[in-house]
Amino acid sequence: AQTVTQSQPEMSVQEAETVTLSCTYDTSESDYYLFWYKQPPSRQMILVIRQEAYKQQNATENRFSVNFQKAAKSFSLKISDSQLGDAAMYFCACYGGGATNKLIFGTGTLLAVQP
Amino acid sequence: DGGITQSPKYLFRKEGQNVTLSCEQNLNHDAMYWYRQDPGQGLRLIYYSQIVNDFQKGDIAEGYSVSREKKESFPLTVTSAQKNPTAFYLCASRMRTGSNYGYTFGSGTRLTVV
Repeated sequence: AQTVTQSQPEMSVQEAETVTLSCTYDTSESDYYLFWYKQPPSRQMILVIRQEAYKQQNATENRFSVNFQKAAKSFSLKISDSQLGDAAMYFCACYGGGATNKLIFGTGTLLAVQP
Repeated sequence: DGGITQSPKYLFRKEGQNVTLSCEQNLNHDAMYWYRQDPGQGLRLIYYSQIVNDFQKGDIAEGYSVSREKKESFPLTVTSAQKNPTAFYLCASRMRTGSNYGYTFGSGTRLTVV
């Protein structure tokens, strides 16, 4: 079975500060991919960042970066220089190929950005 | 521009009725997926299809049915057997092969039982 756990239902950060959202996962697949998606109030799912499990280097996309700890099955998202537009629900997700072949989501973290 | 279109945006259903949610994509993606979103539960997989005329149950398939007669279309029927259908439904697609495993999502359908 494949599971994704986000233990922080809500987080808050001051504008221009840095925040880290936590995610742990479990999968039996040796080849898998990890994602962070952002869902603003419009409810459109927006891909923030992607990490291939076989890559040791942590992925970065502008102000967004991940801390991928494969042995610990941990995949946290760091948002630097937080902006008001970053306020949204953030979902961690795991895609396992092979027999799994589906994208499984965590329960989400609601991020508030304080001006 | 290519994308996924879900319709309608809002749907109201009377108890005991079946309703069908539409999902159409022009991305030439092989695989398509239906998710249900409830507050505090994230996105849960209902059904998915990797090729035409083939589909598999996800984690919460009871009370739902799908078809995949065309590559572009993957409609979801919410049957009267679904005991609590009020939710937000998201359709997604992706290429079945290749290194880009990112999913593309539609804008969703909000279903309310009245």
